[in-house]
Amino acid sequence: EAGVAQSPRYKIIEKRQSVAFWCNPISGHATLYWYQQILGQGPKLLIQFQNNGVVDDSQLPKDRFSAERLKGVDSTLKIQPAKLEDSAVYLCASSLGVGASTDTQYFGPGTRLTVL
Amino acid sequence: DQQVKQNSPSLSVQEGRISILNCDYTNSMFDYFLWYKKYPAEGPTFLISISSIKDKNEDGRFTVFLNKSAKHLSLHIVPSQPGDSAVYFCAAITSGTYKYIFGTGTRLKVLA
Repeated sequence: EAGVAQSPRYKIIEKRQSVAFWCNPISGHATLYWYQQILGQGPKLLIQFQNNGVVDDSQLPKDRFSAERLKGVDSTLKIQPAKLEDSAVYLCASSLGVGASTDTQYFGPGTRLTVL
Repeated sequence: DQQVKQNSPSLSVQEGRISILNCDYTNSMFDYFLWYKKYPAEGPTFLISISSIKDKNEDGRFTVFLNKSAKHLSLHIVPSQPGDSAVYFCAAITSGTYKYIFGTGTRLKVLA
């Protein structure tokens, strides 16, 4: 079974530039998550989709971050414009979406973003 | 406000001995807990979980213990192997939200 795919794996940009990340979840997984992991910290949820609808985006900095999952499968996360403090690993995860605590999340390898 | 804390940033253990990783939480509404393992340049992978109705869950060399009164959980790895060297994150969920709250991680190094 293929895992969660993410691209690119690494990205270096100047501050105030834009960047986009792509995620393809495990086939059949209805729920998709984007996390931000700053060095030395645990992953922090940015946004959660159930199919193509947003379930939770309370921690997404909406003035600069946006995300979409138009067809309920793959997803893109965009930052525009980027700030130095956005340097982090951006992790995508997916789960079956059965609405239970036991609905385990499976993570992709992440995209390491460096903002100069 | 760090609701899930892993106070030991790193731990070194000899191969074959027991590794004990600790996690404390403050939110009494958490009712499901998980441990994830992360190798460099890879995403976290699920290791083991425990519901708040249990105090122990075992899977091979890995056992998770939950002490609800102390709001504390621990992961025991016996025997430890060099391949277990990784960063371990604990995470907690409140039923109905399905939102993982992660700790800051503990880097385990198993010495051969």
